[in-house]
Amino acid sequence: AQTVTQSQPEMSVQEAETVTLSCTYDTSESDYYLFWYKQPPSRQMILVIRQEAYKQQNATENRFSVNFQKAAKSFSLKISDSQLGDAAMYFCAYSRGGAQKLVFGQGTRLTINP
Amino acid sequence: SQTIHQWPATLVQPVGSPLSLECTVEGTSNPNLYWYRQAAGRGLQLLFYSVGIGQISSEVPQNLSASRPQDRQFILSSKKLLLSDSGFYLCAWSVRAAEAFFGQGTRLTVV
Repeated sequence: AQTVTQSQPEMSVQEAETVTLSCTYDTSESDYYLFWYKQPPSRQMILVIRQEAYKQQNATENRFSVNFQKAAKSFSLKISDSQLGDAAMYFCAYSRGGAQKLVFGQGTRLTINP
Repeated sequence: SQTIHQWPATLVQPVGSPLSLECTVEGTSNPNLYWYRQAAGRGLQLLFYSVGIGQISSEVPQNLSASRPQDRQFILSSKKLLLSDSGFYLCAWSVRAAEAFFGQGTRLTVV
């Protein structure tokens, strides 16, 4: 079964600095999708960024970018120029797409220090 | 555009009472539908997912059940709630692009 591991239960960063959240996953598949979701205090789950495994280029969305290392099964999220509104729980997730289920890691709580 | 509705937002139920949480999706056809549960400060536990009407996969044996009577309707039920059923329940949908889109969630407290 596929598993997703986030080894950092909590992280903190100074406002305007850069922070990297780690995620590793286990799969025997070659074609799949990876995601980062943000859950602010409202508890609404918000998609931050997605990566298709067949794409070698790392995905980027404004201040958010990923470092996808397929051989190492690693998928980290980098947040640049951190803002107070970035404070949230961040979840890494895996899916094979189609009719397959979405599997989440345990989350990393990110605190932004002003 | 696609939207997902989940209700109620908050629910307080006594132990032993029944439960029905409903989720509907608009603007898409034949979505995959999911129910997740999240304990306080924890990750998301997949409870059920469905790839079509009447097709339900259960991930964790428990006191809950799910049904999908219509293409875009997903219902989470229990005949008799337990204290351990308390938590935050999230409904979500996805299609071939794989990412899931979530409802606002239901905070269930069993007393």
